[in-house]
Amino acid sequence: NAGVTQTPKFRVLKTGQSMTLLCAQDMNHEYMYWYRQDPGMGLRLIHYSVGEGTTAKGEVPDGYNVSRLKKQNFLLGLESAAPSQTSVYFCATSFGRSDTEAFFGQGTRLTVV
Amino acid sequence: QQQVKQSPQSLIVQKGGISIINCAYENTAFDYFPWYQQFPGKGPALLIAIRPDVSEKKEGRFTISFNKSAKQFSLHIMDSQPGDSATYFCAASFTGNQFYFGTGTSLTVIP
Repeated sequence: NAGVTQTPKFRVLKTGQSMTLLCAQDMNHEYMYWYRQDPGMGLRLIHYSVGEGTTAKGEVPDGYNVSRLKKQNFLLGLESAAPSQTSVYFCATSFGRSDTEAFFGQGTRLTVV
Repeated sequence: QQQVKQSPQSLIVQKGGISIINCAYENTAFDYFPWYQQFPGKGPALLIAIRPDVSEKKEGRFTISFNKSAKQFSLHIMDSQPGDSATYFCAASFTGNQFYFGTGTSLTVIP
């Protein structure tokens, strides 16, 4: 039982390059989230999904796209990376009810140079 | 607009002391208030949570105090230990909606 797994753990991109971050969960959770964590800013929601085939924008969606083709996977894409997207990215999952825990992956440290 | 405001940004406490972190919210629809603990290089993990129908919840050395009328809640860590040194996030949510996180508090417990 791996829980929430993020791939890759580290990545360095050049400005303008694209990449996809993968989040995989084996907890059968409906809700999945992508957050970015920056010093002094806390965790800010990028996009989220309430079920297979659905996605919605969070607080800071610009420059990112997502897809949820399978219930267990949630992909975060950067089409043209910018230095402002240097951050630590976390995927999380939950059952979706307000009183249930969100489980986080171990994070992806992305640097855009 | 920050849905959940957290203070202080950083906190240094002597071993054995009490650590107190405060959060405030505006949206009265929130009905779940968790606290997450994050160690360096790891993802946040649930520490303790409370529903607004109770004013206090205690789990070991960790206590949440909740003031519904003031729309504030706080985390108290009694007998703070060096192993408690971490970043703490408060959060709020309601059914079917996302979690809104505070900006985090970096706690350092000095031996």
